[in-house]
Amino acid sequence: DAKTTQPPSMDCAEGRAANLPCNHSTISGNEYVYWYRQIHSQGPQYIIHGLKNNETNEMASLIITEDRKSSTLILPHATLRDTAVYYCIVRGDTGGFKTIFGAGTRLFVKA
Amino acid sequence: DTGVSQNPRHKITKRGQNVTFRCDPISEHNRLYWYRQTLGQGPEFLTYFQNEAQLEKSRLLSDRFSAERPKGSFSTLEIQRTEQGDSAMYLCASSLSIPKQFFGPGTRLTVL
Repeated sequence: DAKTTQPPSMDCAEGRAANLPCNHSTISGNEYVYWYRQIHSQGPQYIIHGLKNNETNEMASLIITEDRKSSTLILPHATLRDTAVYYCIVRGDTGGFKTIFGAGTRLFVKA
Repeated sequence: DTGVSQNPRHKITKRGQNVTFRCDPISEHNRLYWYRQTLGQGPEFLTYFQNEAQLEKSRLLSDRFSAERPKGSFSTLEIQRTEQGDSAMYLCASSLSIPKQFFGPGTRLTVL
């Protein structure tokens, strides 16, 4: 699975959009980009995933660049409850599906 | 969808004791995973089951660790002769035959 690079931490004002970047320059053609988040003392929570098209669900939007070497997770109206560690993961859709987590981005949403 | 449950949520034990954790996955999920997470780090993969078969084990899973999923439903993770370095959050996740995983709340182990 391709390696990802994320900033260690970011701040965002409550009510504003939070844009979390992820670099995955070694991604291969059959690998998906997944985002999970982990709120303090809880298990990780799936947010969204995509292959090459932009995706949106009730939690967030995922923007993947045309060359697929980077992506951005967008929380359109961040709330205090969105304060968490956000993990960007790249992996294929075959095999055991184990998830290799990096250190993630710690997002602080401030009032 | 009642979610993935784990028991106990917290366990404090003395060094050298054995501990066992239980994970109940989402009922129709055929894949089950165990991860370990230490403070400030992302979760690390330990092992993976498809139905009752244990198909993959990390080198982190020393011979003191054993995991079972006897009937392809719940799973147990046992640690024998615990060491202080085993103190961590132990996370269980389950999935269907797609990579989207659902995680439980974890069991926090403290070895004194």
